[in-house]
Amino acid sequence: AQRVTQPEKLLSVFKGAPVELKCNYSYSGSPELFWYVQYSRQRLQLLLRHISRESIKGFTADLNKGETSFHLKKPFAQEEDSAMYYCALSGLRGTSYGKLTFGQGTILTVHP
Amino acid sequence: EPEVTQTPSHQVTQMGQEVILRCVPISNHLYFYWYRQILGQKVEFLVSFYNNEISEKSEIFDDQFSVERPDGSNFTLKIRSTKLEDSAMYFCASSVSSGIGTSGTDTQYFGPGTRLTVL
Repeated sequence: AQRVTQPEKLLSVFKGAPVELKCNYSYSGSPELFWYVQYSRQRLQLLLRHISRESIKGFTADLNKGETSFHLKKPFAQEEDSAMYYCALSGLRGTSYGKLTFGQGTILTVHP
Repeated sequence: EPEVTQTPSHQVTQMGQEVILRCVPISNHLYFYWYRQILGQKVEFLVSFYNNEISEKSEIFDDQFSVERPDGSNFTLKIRSTKLEDSAMYFCASSVSSGIGTSGTDTQYFGPGTRLTVL
């Protein structure tokens, strides 16, 4: 079974502070990990994926297979980063190809 | 930029009634998905659809649910006899491919959702 855990429901930081949103996963095969973001009154959209190894809006995430984690980090948070963040997993070349399993989400609030 | 659209944005129905939720995926996409999110809970996968048939479905997707691509543009989710516990936000998503045979899962683009309230 595949499972994604985001231990923090709410996270508050001040503008300019570093932020880390935690994500742990459980999957028996080779997973592909994603971060999706939902800004206020907008749709879910892909922020980044581990395969791309890119930085989007200053965010990065590294897949740590030993710790089964995919934490999202940004060194200097901005007010416009305030949103709901979802970590998600898909099976790579497995039977759950395409199916996304989501964590429960973390609401990030960046205070001025 | 093309987007996935969903109608209606909010549907209120009586328990036991049938509802049809509609989605228009991005035009060159071939894979379609439905997810739902009960208030305060996770986004959950319901079903994936490709080449006019279901590719995968979850345990939630029982006989009360069905999906259809009635024409070249719409993708619908039908709930035959709604229950109170079907109240949720339903999201449609589409992707160009599922990623099989490539280096990774293809990006899924989500619609804005339909909020279904069953009374």
